[in-house]
Amino acid sequence: GAGVSQSPRYKVTKRGQDVALRCDPISGHVSLYWYRQALGQGPEFLTYFNYEAQQDKSGLPNDRFSAERPEGSISTLTIQRTEQRDSAMYRCASRPRKNTEAFFGQGTRLTVV
Amino acid sequence: AQSVSQHNHHVILSEAASLELGCNYSYGGTVNLFWYVQYPGQHLQLLLKYFSGDPLVKGIKGFEAEFIKSKFSFNLRKPSVQWSDTAEYFCAVTTANAGNMLTFGGGTRLMVKP
Repeated sequence: GAGVSQSPRYKVTKRGQDVALRCDPISGHVSLYWYRQALGQGPEFLTYFNYEAQQDKSGLPNDRFSAERPEGSISTLTIQRTEQRDSAMYRCASRPRKNTEAFFGQGTRLTVV
Repeated sequence: AQSVSQHNHHVILSEAASLELGCNYSYGGTVNLFWYVQYPGQHLQLLLKYFSGDPLVKGIKGFEAEFIKSKFSFNLRKPSVQWSDTAEYFCAVTTANAGNMLTFGGGTRLMVKP
């Protein structure tokens, strides 16, 4: 596609529910990143993939968070048993290869009530 | 682990004033450096990037940044800001030791008064 696409754009969920956030990167991009951004803060790294391999998941806050990219393209970030503190903007970005810039999607605004 | 510091959290300027936003990173090896901008309600967009070569990098909308390796800095500058530059600005780095991981600073919120 023309750019990085994230869905849904907005998600309101009740505490304790599971949510799945989707990222469709630019076609052919090798690397895919997930970030969480609180209001007034910089993007906080969660995890990233090269192709289908998860390279680093050190930024995932706890074991309720997981991500996958099974075919090296679309990725899903899953949050189980959501808590209010999970409320944030979740951003996805992709890069064609090393030594290139990252392209960001519009983000998913998650609100846990 | 690599980290990025942006020391100015909020900056308020009048139109036509000059801008310099600080960015320092904490890695001594080869780095790729970026400045991204986020206008209100929009996604992050690339302003400029440094990979190698001339340490003075020119980006879009009249912005430039200078890579000073000895100071581990990549400060963003613009000689004369406009009201439309009101946005949040983020510095980011990737390093050779972290593969493709892209680390962001905490951001600087710029408000330009008309």
